Amino acid sequence: DAKTTQPPSMDCAEGRAANLPCNHSTISGNEYVYWYRQIHSQGPQYIIHGLKNNETNEMASLIITEDRKSSTLILPHATLRDTAVYYCIVIAGNQFYFGTGTSLTVIP
Amino acid sequence: DAGVTQSPTHLIKTRGQQVTLRCSPKSGHDTVSWYQQALGQGPQFIFQYYEEEERQRGNFPDRFSGHQFPNYSSELNVNALLLGDSALYLCASSWRLGGSYNEQFFGPGTRLTVL
Repeated sequence: DAKTTQPPSMDCAEGRAANLPCNHSTISGNEYVYWYRQIHSQGPQYIIHGLKNNETNEMASLIITEDRKSSTLILPHATLRDTAVYYCIVIAGNQFYFGTGTSLTVIP
Repeated sequence: DAGVTQSPTHLIKTRGQQVTLRCSPKSGHDTVSWYQQALGQGPQFIFQYYEEEERQRGNFPDRFSGHQFPNYSSELNVNALLLGDSALYLCASSWRLGGSYNEQFFGPGTRLTVL
């Protein structure tokens, strides 16, 4: 019951923007979309979250479609340290529903 | 600020044994959630504690139980261990402001191996 769908893997050239898509077609009006990443065997790290509007912080930008059924995480200038599994998560109540995420590999 | 800490880092048990994992939340946080992450899978929600009570629970059997202490730290107990309980167990802390929800901060996890 992951509530989100992501491609299993993606590659990105170092220095280029990485665009990670996520589908959450069953999202409810008051459910937030969160993005986390997990570097091998470490705890997940918070990246960004949003409800309706696009969001930007020092790590990334989050673009949410107007119907809120999908979103895209943008890493503007990917580095080798951005190689990780990226999870798009919809919060229902106080539960985080993780899917299997997207394994992003940044290539030199 | 030490962030979320978990102990032990690694643990090896045999089938049928019982295990206790510990978590100290980030300073200022009052809510603790536990997750199980099998190899190659995303974390799966086990349960969440707030005000020393279990508030929400995922689809896990009652062999999985927990506790939260007055200082907000928490324990996860697993009885009658099965081979399938081998996983990375993650603790995450957060805080509630007037009932709203804030992002969870994850600890490094405890790697449990059941032989």
